[in-house]
Amino acid sequence: DIVMTQTPLSSPVTLGQPASISCRSSQSLVHNDGNTYLSWLQQRPGQPPRLLIYKISNRFSGVPDRFSGSGAGTDFTLKISRVEAEDVGVYYCMQAAQFPWTFGQGTKVEIK
Amino acid sequence: QVQLVESGGGVVQPGTSLRLSCAVSGFTFSDSVMHWVRQAPGRGLEWVARISHDATSKLYAGSVEGRFTISRDDSLYSLYLQMNSLRPEDTAVYYCARDLRDNWAIDYWGRGTLVTVST
Repeated sequence: DIVMTQTPLSSPVTLGQPASISCRSSQSLVHNDGNTYLSWLQQRPGQPPRLLIYKISNRFSGVPDRFSGSGAGTDFTLKISRVEAEDVGVYYCMQAAQFPWTFGQGTKVEIK
Repeated sequence: QVQLVESGGGVVQPGTSLRLSCAVSGFTFSDSVMHWVRQAPGRGLEWVARISHDATSKLYAGSVEGRFTISRDDSLYSLYLQMNSLRPEDTAVYYCARDLRDNWAIDYWGRGTLVTVST
Protein backbone atom coordinates (compact mmCIF):
# COMPACT_ATOMS: atom_id res chain seq x y z
CA ASP A 1 0.00 0.00 0.00
CA ILE A 2 1.11 3.57 -0.64
CA VAL A 3 1.91 5.37 2.61
CA MET A 4 1.02 9.06 2.79
CA THR A 5 2.96 11.18 5.29
CA GLN A 6 1.83 14.68 6.21
CA THR A 7 3.79 17.40 7.96
CA PRO A 8 3.24 19.14 10.24
CA LEU A 9 0.61 17.24 12.23
CA SER A 10 -0.45 20.46 13.91
CA SER A 11 -0.32 24.01 12.58
CA PRO A 12 -1.24 26.94 14.81
CA VAL A 13 -1.79 29.95 12.55
CA THR A 14 -2.60 33.61 13.08
CA LEU A 15 -5.76 34.81 11.33
CA GLY A 16 -4.91 36.37 8.00
CA GLN A 17 -1.55 34.64 7.79
CA PRO A 18 -0.64 31.84 5.36
CA ALA A 19 -0.52 28.14 6.17
CA SER A 20 1.18 25.31 4.34
CA ILE A 21 0.81 21.53 4.65
CA SER A 22 3.14 19.01 3.08
CA CYS A 23 2.22 15.51 1.93
CA ARG A 24 4.73 12.92 0.79
CA SER A 25 3.89 9.55 -0.75
CA SER A 26 5.98 6.39 -0.43
CA GLN A 27 5.90 5.97 -4.22
CA SER A 28 5.05 8.04 -7.25
CA LEU A 29 1.38 8.96 -7.65
CA VAL A 30 1.61 9.20 -11.44
CA HIS A 31 -1.05 6.84 -12.76
CA ASN A 32 -0.67 4.68 -15.86
CA ASP A 33 -2.84 7.21 -17.69
CA GLY A 34 -0.32 9.99 -16.98
CA ASN A 35 -2.44 11.82 -14.42
CA THR A 36 -1.46 12.31 -10.79
CA TYR A 37 -4.34 11.52 -8.47
CA LEU A 38 -3.65 13.44 -5.31
CA SER A 39 -6.47 15.26 -3.57
CA TRP A 40 -6.90 17.34 -0.42
CA LEU A 41 -9.85 17.25 1.94
CA GLN A 42 -10.91 19.42 4.84
CA GLN A 43 -12.76 18.10 7.87
CA ARG A 44 -14.21 20.74 10.14
CA PRO A 45 -15.04 19.73 13.71
CA GLY A 46 -18.08 17.46 13.80
CA GLN A 47 -18.43 17.44 10.02
CA PRO A 48 -17.77 14.91 7.27
CA PRO A 49 -14.79 15.51 5.00
CA ARG A 50 -15.11 18.02 2.17
CA LEU A 51 -13.17 17.92 -1.09
CA LEU A 52 -10.96 20.96 -1.64
CA ILE A 53 -8.47 20.02 -4.36
CA TYR A 54 -8.22 17.12 -6.83
CA LYS A 55 -5.49 16.07 -9.28
CA ILE A 56 -2.89 18.08 -7.36
CA SER A 57 -4.14 21.57 -8.10
CA ASN A 58 -7.77 21.64 -9.27
CA ARG A 59 -10.07 23.46 -6.88
CA PHE A 60 -13.44 21.75 -6.43
CA SER A 61 -16.65 23.66 -6.98
CA GLY A 62 -17.26 26.35 -4.36
CA VAL A 63 -13.80 26.18 -2.80
CA PRO A 64 -12.33 29.64 -2.11
CA ASP A 65 -9.32 30.64 -4.15
CA ARG A 66 -7.22 31.11 -1.02
CA PHE A 67 -6.75 27.32 -1.18
CA SER A 68 -4.18 26.08 -3.67
CA GLY A 69 -2.41 22.81 -4.34
CA SER A 70 0.91 22.05 -5.98
CA GLY A 71 3.52 19.35 -6.35
CA ALA A 72 4.49 16.39 -8.47
CA GLY A 73 5.57 12.77 -8.20
CA THR A 74 5.80 12.11 -4.48
CA ASP A 75 5.78 15.60 -2.93
CA PHE A 76 2.71 17.78 -2.64
CA THR A 77 1.65 20.92 -0.82
CA LEU A 78 -1.62 22.54 0.20
CA LYS A 79 -1.44 26.27 0.85
CA ILE A 80 -3.95 28.59 2.43
CA SER A 81 -2.99 32.13 1.45
CA ARG A 82 -4.78 33.87 4.35
CA VAL A 83 -6.29 31.70 7.06
CA GLU A 84 -9.82 32.52 8.12
CA ALA A 85 -11.66 31.30 11.22
CA GLU A 86 -13.75 28.88 9.13
CA ASP A 87 -10.58 27.09 7.98
CA VAL A 88 -10.09 25.49 11.39
CA GLY A 89 -10.13 21.72 11.09
CA VAL A 90 -8.12 18.72 9.99
CA TYR A 91 -6.74 18.49 6.47
CA TYR A 92 -6.03 15.20 4.72
CA CYS A 93 -4.21 14.34 1.55
CA MET A 94 -5.44 11.26 -0.32
CA GLN A 95 -3.87 9.24 -3.11
CA ALA A 96 -5.96 7.51 -5.75
CA ALA A 97 -3.14 6.39 -8.03
CA GLN A 98 -3.40 2.84 -6.77
CA PHE A 99 -5.88 0.75 -4.75
CA PRO A 100 -6.28 0.72 -1.84
CA TRP A 101 -6.68 4.48 -1.79
CA THR A 102 -4.87 5.85 1.24
CA PHE A 103 -4.91 9.02 3.32
CA GLY A 104 -2.34 10.98 5.23
CA GLN A 105 -2.61 11.08 9.01
CA GLY A 106 -4.19 14.52 8.95
CA THR A 107 -2.94 17.99 9.86
CA LYS A 108 -4.83 19.99 12.43
CA VAL A 109 -5.07 23.69 11.60
CA GLU A 110 -5.97 25.88 14.55
CA ILE A 111 -5.93 29.57 15.31
CA LYS A 112 -3.21 30.91 17.60
CA GLN B 1 -28.45 19.13 -4.43
CA VAL B 2 -26.37 16.03 -3.84
CA GLN B 3 -27.37 14.21 -0.67
CA LEU B 4 -26.11 10.98 0.86
CA VAL B 5 -27.72 9.68 4.04
CA GLU B 6 -26.32 6.66 5.83
CA SER B 7 -28.24 4.43 8.22
CA GLY B 8 -27.94 1.08 9.92
CA GLY B 9 -25.19 1.73 12.43
CA GLY B 10 -25.36 0.60 16.02
CA VAL B 11 -23.72 -1.36 18.79
CA VAL B 12 -23.01 -5.01 18.01
CA GLN B 13 -20.96 -7.82 19.50
CA PRO B 14 -17.79 -9.16 17.92
CA GLY B 15 -18.41 -11.86 15.35
CA THR B 16 -21.85 -10.59 14.38
CA SER B 17 -23.10 -8.88 11.22
CA LEU B 18 -24.54 -5.52 10.27
CA ARG B 19 -25.76 -3.96 7.03
CA LEU B 20 -25.31 -0.29 6.35
CA SER B 21 -27.43 1.59 3.84
CA CYS B 22 -26.93 4.87 2.06
CA ALA B 23 -29.83 6.67 0.40
CA VAL B 24 -28.75 9.10 -2.28
CA SER B 25 -30.48 11.89 -4.15
CA GLY B 26 -29.70 14.89 -6.31
CA PHE B 27 -27.67 13.07 -8.98
CA THR B 28 -27.89 10.14 -11.39
CA PHE B 29 -26.93 7.28 -9.11
CA SER B 30 -26.65 4.68 -11.87
CA ASP B 31 -23.87 6.72 -13.52
CA SER B 32 -21.85 7.04 -10.33
CA VAL B 33 -18.98 5.10 -8.80
CA MET B 34 -19.47 4.92 -5.03
CA HIS B 35 -17.29 4.35 -1.98
CA TRP B 36 -17.40 3.57 1.69
CA VAL B 37 -14.79 5.27 3.90
CA ARG B 38 -14.52 4.89 7.66
CA GLN B 39 -13.06 6.87 10.54
CA ALA B 40 -12.32 5.31 13.92
CA PRO B 41 -13.10 7.59 16.89
CA GLY B 42 -10.51 10.36 17.07
CA ARG B 43 -8.56 8.86 14.18
CA GLY B 44 -7.95 9.48 10.50
CA LEU B 45 -9.74 8.32 7.37
CA GLU B 46 -9.57 4.79 5.94
CA TRP B 47 -10.92 3.86 2.52
CA VAL B 48 -13.02 0.69 2.79
CA ALA B 49 -14.61 -0.25 -0.52
CA ARG B 50 -15.53 0.92 -4.01
CA ILE B 51 -18.20 -0.21 -6.47
CA SER B 52 -18.32 0.70 -10.14
CA HIS B 53 -21.38 2.35 -11.65
CA ASP B 54 -22.56 -0.97 -13.09
CA ALA B 55 -21.51 -3.10 -10.08
CA THR B 56 -19.16 -5.21 -12.22
CA SER B 57 -16.11 -4.08 -10.26
CA LYS B 58 -15.84 -4.15 -6.47
CA LEU B 59 -12.66 -3.37 -4.59
CA TYR B 60 -11.88 -3.64 -0.89
CA ALA B 61 -9.29 -2.63 1.65
CA GLY B 62 -7.23 -5.55 2.85
CA SER B 63 -8.53 -5.10 6.38
CA VAL B 64 -12.11 -5.93 5.30
CA GLU B 65 -11.58 -8.20 2.27
CA GLY B 66 -13.61 -11.40 2.65
CA ARG B 67 -15.75 -9.98 5.47
CA PHE B 68 -17.43 -6.91 3.92
CA THR B 69 -19.48 -6.73 0.72
CA ILE B 70 -20.41 -3.55 -1.11
CA SER B 71 -23.51 -3.52 -3.30
CA ARG B 72 -26.01 -1.16 -4.85
CA ASP B 73 -29.63 -1.01 -5.97
CA ASP B 74 -29.98 1.63 -8.65
CA SER B 75 -33.77 1.36 -8.64
CA LEU B 76 -33.77 2.41 -4.99
CA TYR B 77 -30.94 4.92 -5.30
CA SER B 78 -29.19 3.04 -2.53
CA LEU B 79 -25.71 1.84 -1.64
CA TYR B 80 -25.04 -0.91 0.89
CA LEU B 81 -22.25 -2.35 2.98
CA GLN B 82 -22.76 -5.83 4.39
CA MET B 83 -20.36 -6.32 7.27
CA ASN B 84 -19.79 -9.82 8.62
CA SER B 85 -17.52 -11.22 11.33
CA LEU B 86 -17.21 -7.80 12.89
CA ARG B 87 -14.21 -7.03 15.06
CA PRO B 88 -13.62 -4.33 17.67
CA GLU B 89 -11.22 -2.62 15.24
CA ASP B 90 -14.13 -2.12 12.84
CA THR B 91 -15.57 0.44 15.27
CA ALA B 92 -15.84 3.67 13.29
CA VAL B 93 -18.07 6.21 11.62
CA TYR B 94 -18.82 4.85 8.17
CA TYR B 95 -19.23 7.38 5.38
CA CYS B 96 -20.94 6.80 2.07
CA ALA B 97 -19.23 8.85 -0.62
CA ARG B 98 -19.45 9.61 -4.32
CA ASP B 99 -16.61 9.39 -6.77
CA LEU B 100 -15.69 12.52 -8.71
CA ARG B 101 -16.19 11.03 -12.14
CA ASP B 102 -13.04 10.56 -14.23
CA ASN B 103 -10.92 12.34 -11.63
CA TRP B 104 -10.23 9.61 -9.07
CA ALA B 105 -11.27 11.59 -6.04
CA ILE B 106 -14.24 11.67 -3.67
CA ASP B 107 -16.42 14.74 -4.04
CA TYR B 108 -19.49 14.28 -1.82
CA TRP B 109 -19.76 12.61 1.56
CA GLY B 110 -22.66 11.67 3.80
CA ARG B 111 -22.66 12.57 7.48
CA GLY B 112 -21.82 9.00 8.44
CA THR B 113 -23.26 6.30 10.67
CA LEU B 114 -21.46 5.01 13.78
CA VAL B 115 -20.74 1.32 14.16
CA THR B 116 -19.51 0.16 17.55
CA VAL B 117 -18.27 -3.40 17.95
CA SER B 118 -17.98 -4.25 21.62
CA THR B 119 -18.80 -6.87 24.19
